[in-house]
Amino acid sequence: GDSVTQMEGPVTLSEEAFLTINCTYTATGYPSLFWYVQYPGEGLQLLLKATKADDKGSNKGFEATYRKETTSFHLEKGSVQVSDSAVYFCALTTDSWGKLQFGAGTQVVVTP
Amino acid sequence: GAGVSQSPSNKVTEKGKDVELRCDPISGHTALYWYRQSLGQGLEFLIYFQGNSAPDKSGLPSDRFSAERTGGSVSTLTIQRTQQEDSAVYLCAAGRRPIPGNTIYFGEGSWLTVV
Repeated sequence: GDSVTQMEGPVTLSEEAFLTINCTYTATGYPSLFWYVQYPGEGLQLLLKATKADDKGSNKGFEATYRKETTSFHLEKGSVQVSDSAVYFCALTTDSWGKLQFGAGTQVVVTP
Repeated sequence: GAGVSQSPSNKVTEKGKDVELRCDPISGHTALYWYRQSLGQGLEFLIYFQGNSAPDKSGLPSDRFSAERTGGSVSTLTIQRTQQEDSAVYLCAAGRRPIPGNTIYFGEGSWLTVV
């Protein structure tokens, strides 16, 4: 079945550091890929998405590129802020109903 | 987020009791999903509704779990004879079709504790 593997956390960074969260997937067919973010005390929010190979999703300074050859969708941000502290989930869907398969989540803690 | 309302936000119940969790999606969002978020299990899909029908119930963990949707809007997830392992955050999400072209919006969840 489909699955998503993402790096374990917590990831602790200083403000203005570079952030990378690795995400790889296995899927039958051609998945759409997503990053969701869950800020403390809030619900899941879509951060960015890519629906076909080589697409780059971007939002709030975060970027991720759909790499079919390496089955990856790594999340990057060049300069993190304390407000980026959250749990980040990589996810995919392969069906037209949009059922999401999530990774385990990576907690990111940014310190001043 | 984005107008998906869930209630109650927190529920503590005794083992063996039944609970109902409610989801009120954004108007016009015909696709509706329930997920469960628990320690050790991550985020698990439970059920999908398109309108009032549920073409995918594959994630419901046992026959103690059921869900319905009426009027293509509000959905209720019912857990009968609750067990301690049912303790989790139950998330509702909704969106317009076609997906993934359109964004799926999540509610803030209902935190269920079974004691």
